[in-house]
Amino acid sequence: DGGITQSPKYLFRKEGQNVTLSCEQNLNHDAMYWYRQDPGQGLRLIYYSQIVNDFQKGDIAEGYSVSREKKESFPLTVTSAQKNPTAFYLCASSINGNQPQHFGDGTRLSIL
Amino acid sequence: GQQLNQSPQSMFIQEGEDVSMNCTSSSIFNTWLWYKQEPGEGPVLLIALYKAGELTSNGRLTAQFGITRKDSFLNISASIPSDVGIYFCAGQASGSRLTFGEGTQLTVNP
Repeated sequence: DGGITQSPKYLFRKEGQNVTLSCEQNLNHDAMYWYRQDPGQGLRLIYYSQIVNDFQKGDIAEGYSVSREKKESFPLTVTSAQKNPTAFYLCASSINGNQPQHFGDGTRLSIL
Repeated sequence: GQQLNQSPQSMFIQEGEDVSMNCTSSSIFNTWLWYKQEPGEGPVLLIALYKAGELTSNGRLTAQFGITRKDSFLNISASIPSDVGIYFCAGQASGSRLTFGEGTQLTVNP
C-alpha cells in the first residue's frame, strides 16, 4: 500500500534525552513536513523539506532537528533543548510544495 | 504572516442536522483545503479547491472557494455519528507555505 508511515505510535522521553521520530513515505513525493499539535490546537510547522538534502525551518524549529538524506525519509529529532516536547507530532508529504499535503497517523511523545 | 480564522471553534448537533463551518483569511489564497482529523490519527484530506467560486462535493460534504479568495466554507448535510472529529481548513498562496486554521470540533449526538 502507498502511504506515509510514522513510527513509533507512542514514545516516551526521559529528561535530557534526545529522541528521533521516524517518517517514511512511498508516494515518491518530493516535499515532506513535520508539524506539532497540542491538545485542542491547530498544526504548527516545525521543519519542511522541498527536496532531498535540503530543508528549512518552520515556525517552531527551536529544539528540533531534521535530515533528508533520502527522498522517502524525513526523521525528526526532538533534542533536550526542547523544554516542552509533550505533543502529537504529524508528518506529511506532498508531490511538491504547491500540492495538497497528506498526513501520517502521528506519534504521541510524552515525558517520563 | 498569514492569519486564518476558522469558526465555529466547536459544534454540538443532533444526528440528521446540517452543519456549516467557514474560514476567513487576511490575504488572498490560491488553494483552499479541508481536512478531517479523528482522535489519535492524522488529518485526512476531504476536499481541495483551486479556483475562486469553485463549489466541490464529496458525498455529503460540499465546500466552496470564496469569490474574494479570502474565504471558504464547508457544509455537511444530514450528519451521522461518524462525522465526529476535528475539521481543519488550510489555505495556500502561490509560492507560500500552507496555513492551517485552528479547527472546528464537531460532536454529533445520536
